[in-house]
Amino acid sequence: SAVISQKPSRDICQRGTSLTIQCQVDSQVTMMFWYRQQPGQSLTLIATANQGSEATYESGFVIDKFPISRPNLTFSTLTVSNMSPEDSSIYLCSVTLPGEVYNEQFFGPGTRLTVL
Amino acid sequence: LAKTTQPISMDSYEGQEVNITCSHNNIATNDYITWYQQFPSQGPRFIIQGYKTKVTNEVASLFIPADRKSSTLSLPRVSLSDTAVYYCLWGSSTLGRLYFGRGTQLTVWP
Repeated sequence: SAVISQKPSRDICQRGTSLTIQCQVDSQVTMMFWYRQQPGQSLTLIATANQGSEATYESGFVIDKFPISRPNLTFSTLTVSNMSPEDSSIYLCSVTLPGEVYNEQFFGPGTRLTVL
Repeated sequence: LAKTTQPISMDSYEGQEVNITCSHNNIATNDYITWYQQFPSQGPRFIIQGYKTKVTNEVASLFIPADRKSSTLSLPRVSLSDTAVYYCLWGSSTLGRLYFGRGTQLTVWP
């Protein structure tokens, strides 16, 4: 298994500002993912962040709004830029472990973001 | 995008067996069917996955018919702590992308 931590755990931000969310894993992983979960809703994949390459964004998400960094095999950041109240969500990162169960991802506890 | 259909909510009592069925009519030939569990204020947790027939682990069983257009998650003798949202999903692990459906809110009553 993998232990994943996220910082901050929650934040309240003003409209128009940006917030960077950190994701730290206790082991080296190739594939990391960022999801968004709006209140009472399911999870939506934002992007895939592989070390050594540009992040791959899903339809409806763009790099200018959600820039992602992946400087090494244990760390990634997601920035929510120019925030609006519609960005209020829980943001989660997840990883897959090499050689492990096919579709098993390990999720962090999430970052609860409120935009005023 | 992968698309699944499952009941929005289910209720059960402690000690009963719960079966949650999911439809995935357009599942790709190479994809596995996977179930996750999510408690409030936590990230989802992998429960079980399978390709066909039946898979069982210490937590649940997964039944998949030959046509693979549906699957049933079976939770034996549920307890109050099994109250959670259960997601059925399928995806391509080679790409690593998982697509979550709406999930089923299971509530277990004493």
